[in-house]
Amino acid sequence: GAGVSQSPSNKVTEKGKDVELRCDPISGHTALYWYRQRLGQGLEFLIYFQGNSAPDKSGLPSDRFSAERTGESVSTLTIQRTQQEDSAVYLCASREQGQNSPLHFGNGTRLTVT
Amino acid sequence: KNQVEQSPQSLIILEGKNCTLQCNYTVSPFSNLRWYKQDTGRGPVSLTIMTFSENTKSNGRYTATLDADTKQSSLHITASQLSDSASYICVVTLTTSGTYKYIFGTGTRLKVLA
Repeated sequence: GAGVSQSPSNKVTEKGKDVELRCDPISGHTALYWYRQRLGQGLEFLIYFQGNSAPDKSGLPSDRFSAERTGESVSTLTIQRTQQEDSAVYLCASREQGQNSPLHFGNGTRLTVT
Repeated sequence: KNQVEQSPQSLIILEGKNCTLQCNYTVSPFSNLRWYKQDTGRGPVSLTIMTFSENTKSNGRYTATLDADTKQSSLHITASQLSDSASYICVVTLTTSGTYKYIFGTGTRLKVLA
C-alpha cells in the first residue's frame, strides 16, 4: 500500500520567509512524528501527535516552529521567519498502535534557506 | 541521560565481505531496540527489532544481537552487496506513562565498494 508521503521533496527559500511542509501518513496510523536531520547528523525529535491527544511539542527548537494535525490525517509543519540554521531534511514518520510497531518514514523535505 | 552511541561512524568494505556495526545505549526504561537502514535521500526503513528477551534475530543477510545486561547491540551484515551502502541507525524505544519515545543513534555510514 501507499507509504508516508511528504511534500515538497525540496524547498529553497530566502531567509526570513515562512515555509509549510506537508506529511500524509499511512492510513490508520494513529501516531505521527516530525524529525529534523541535519547533514551528517542523527535524527532530532521535533513533535509527536497521538490520536486526539495533546501533541508532545517538547522537541520544537523555537517558537518559530509549529505543527498541526487534523485527526489522524495530514500534518503540516510550519517554520516562520526561516533562518539559515533551519536548513535540514525534515522527516515525517507514522506508526500504528503497539509498542513494537515500527516507524514508517517518508523520504523527507530537504529545506535550504539562502 | 538517555543516549545511544554507534560505532564506527563510517566504514568502507569490499563487496562480499562481512561487517559488524555496534550500538551501545543508556536508555531506561528500555522497551525495544530497532535497526533502521537509511539510503541516501530516503527515509529510514526498519530492518529488525530486538525486545528485551531476544538475543539474536536474523533478516536475510542481516543478523542483530542484543545483550540487555551490557546494553549493547550489534548488526552483522554477511556477504555485503553494493546495495548495502547506506546509513544504519540504532534506535531504542523507551516507554513512559503509555507513550513511546525514540532515542536515535547518529548512525554508521557504510560504503561497499566493488
